[in-house]
This record gives sequence, structure tokens and C-alpha cells, in this order.
Amino acid sequence: KNEVEQSPQNLTAQEGEFITINCSYSVGISALHWLQQHPGGGIVSLFMLSSGKKKHGRLIATINIQEKHSSLHITASHPRDSAVYICAVRPYYKLIFGTGTRLQVFP
Amino acid sequence: GAVVSQHPSRVICKSGTSVKIECRSLDFQATTMFWYRQFPKQSLMLMATSNEGSKATYEQGVEKDKFLINHASLTLSTLTVTSAHPEDSSFYICSARDTRDTEAFFGQGTRLTVV
Repeated sequence: KNEVEQSPQNLTAQEGEFITINCSYSVGISALHWLQQHPGGGIVSLFMLSSGKKKHGRLIATINIQEKHSSLHITASHPRDSAVYICAVRPYYKLIFGTGTRLQVFP
Repeated sequence: GAVVSQHPSRVICKSGTSVKIECRSLDFQATTMFWYRQFPKQSLMLMATSNEGSKATYEQGVEKDKFLINHASLTLSTLTVTSAHPEDSSFYICSARDTRDTEAFFGQGTRLTVV
């Protein structure tokens, strides 16, 4: 069993839909990252969380440390949100990555 | 926000040659840099961790003589793929952590093709 599990693996949506991507992990962590990887390969760090909730534009990330679970929400999704979203947890100095959620938003 | 510049973005080389990939932190000092490899449709796999001024720590199964890592300054780390083979073809990406250790910043990645 992977230490970081993401669901769903693939997700398609119509423009404007509310999207949720989930991440569960099985290790103790000091932080959790949500990353976005576009088709070209470059990775952008969206959030780093250690507790609670963060919001940036249409993106919201939450984490429940007790339940070892985090969610990434995208409100009013847009085709430019199409990317792979990766959850990564940090038990100590290095990151452990989930396998990613491939999101496609259609106009 | 902080920027990590990785160069080159794409490289094609012949088997047996060496390729150097650079990772620079442009507006912060990176005490620690990480090098990852990513196979198609798979997640990132940590290859090694480098700390400025000291030897890199390689993950199990990664050949340190093949993947040479140098972190000579707080803003630059390099990965050299020596005697490249077609099976080394992959996407390589670096990540840097600042001295406050509050975030992880990623380079744009390098797609290496060995022919």
C-alpha cells in the first residue's frame, strides 16, 4: 500500500464545475504540499499546509491531521486548470508523492 | 514568489556522452536541493538530496557514479548523467528548499533523450 493515496486518479469536468481531489496518507507529517504539473512537465507548488485551510484564488486546500487526509478544491473550474495535481507529504526532510490526479476540464 | 531555474529544458545526446543539468535558485539561498526522476505517467522518484558544500545523499538503487551531483554554492546544484544510455532517457526535475525551510520550489524540468 502506498504511503500517499490520491483519488480519483482521473477526473473530467465541464467548465464551471466544482472539483475535489482527495489525498490520504499513512505517516506522520510536518507538512503537506499540493502541486500542479502541466503537460510540459514543470511543477508549481500550490499550497503547503500543516493545519487547517488555505485559499488562493479559486483554489482551496484543507487538511485534517488527525484523520491524515487533505482535499484540494477548485471552484468554477476552467480549461486552463487541466493538469496533473499531486499531493506530497513531508514526514521529515524529503517529500513522498502521491501518484497524481489527472484533471481535464472541457469548455 | 521564489523561482528555481532549471536548464536545459530539453536535451538530446548520444549514447556514451555526459550531460549536465543545472538547477539555480534565483532569489533565495537553497541550503538543500533535491533531484527527481519521473517516468511517463508516474510520480516523481527522489534520486538524491544535496546540501551545499557536502556530498549528496543518494536514494537506494541510484548509482552515484552515474548521476553525479554537485552543490557548490547556495544557489546552484548540478546533475551530470555520465556515460548516458537510452534507458537514462527520462524527465529530471530539481527542487530547492530555502534556508527557512518553509517551502519547496521546483524547476521546470529537463527532458533527456539518449539516442
